[in-house]
Amino acid sequence: EPEVTQTPSHQVTQMGQEVILRCVPISNHLYFYWYRQILGQKVEFLVSFYNNEISEKSEIFDDQFSVERPDGSNFTLKIRSTKLEDSAMYFCASSRFLGVQGTQYFGPGTRLLVL
Amino acid sequence: AQSVTQLGSHVSVSEGALVLLRCNYSSSVPPYLFWYVQYPNQGLQLLLKYTTGATLVKGINGFEAEFKKSETSFHLTKPSAHMSDAAEYFCAVTPNRDDKIIFGKGTRLHILP
Repeated sequence: EPEVTQTPSHQVTQMGQEVILRCVPISNHLYFYWYRQILGQKVEFLVSFYNNEISEKSEIFDDQFSVERPDGSNFTLKIRSTKLEDSAMYFCASSRFLGVQGTQYFGPGTRLLVL
Repeated sequence: AQSVTQLGSHVSVSEGALVLLRCNYSSSVPPYLFWYVQYPNQGLQLLLKYTTGATLVKGINGFEAEFKKSETSFHLTKPSAHMSDAAEYFCAVTPNRDDKIIFGKGTRLHILP
């Protein structure tokens, strides 16, 4: 069964450094998402992406964040200058459709630790 | 604003006993409702979802949930717990039929032998 994959599974970085989290969505999916979960808190929506542009973003998704689909398979989340509070599990998701027919499939997550 | 409240961050049940995980939602429009499960070191997997129609929704692994509009609830049940059900369960809502999912805080289900 096709699945969403994410790399790396764990990343440790120093505050102020740039990180890129990578995702490979399911191949025929058209809608892409990033969510994050700070330890002990809710899974929170960050951004949705369709047709090579951002569809919606949350207030968390400030200028330090960017997303890109550099080729036909990868979907990346970049954090330009990491802060301690960016430490979280980051989930990528993809779906073929929106609405009633749409189901978001999630990857296993990347655990980011900012020191 | 839409939101989801899950009662109990940890629930323990004995193997073979009824599983009941509680979820209440707040939505100004008819919601789509979901339950996701996360096994250790894995991603979020959709258990079941309610969109329209029948209010009792059956999902994978013997789970089901009932949409009760009058109670704004979407509780998850399974008649007989199995050790493999130990995981974290997330109730979620999609407002306005758009694509953003709003999650609850999650309930970790422990199965006692």
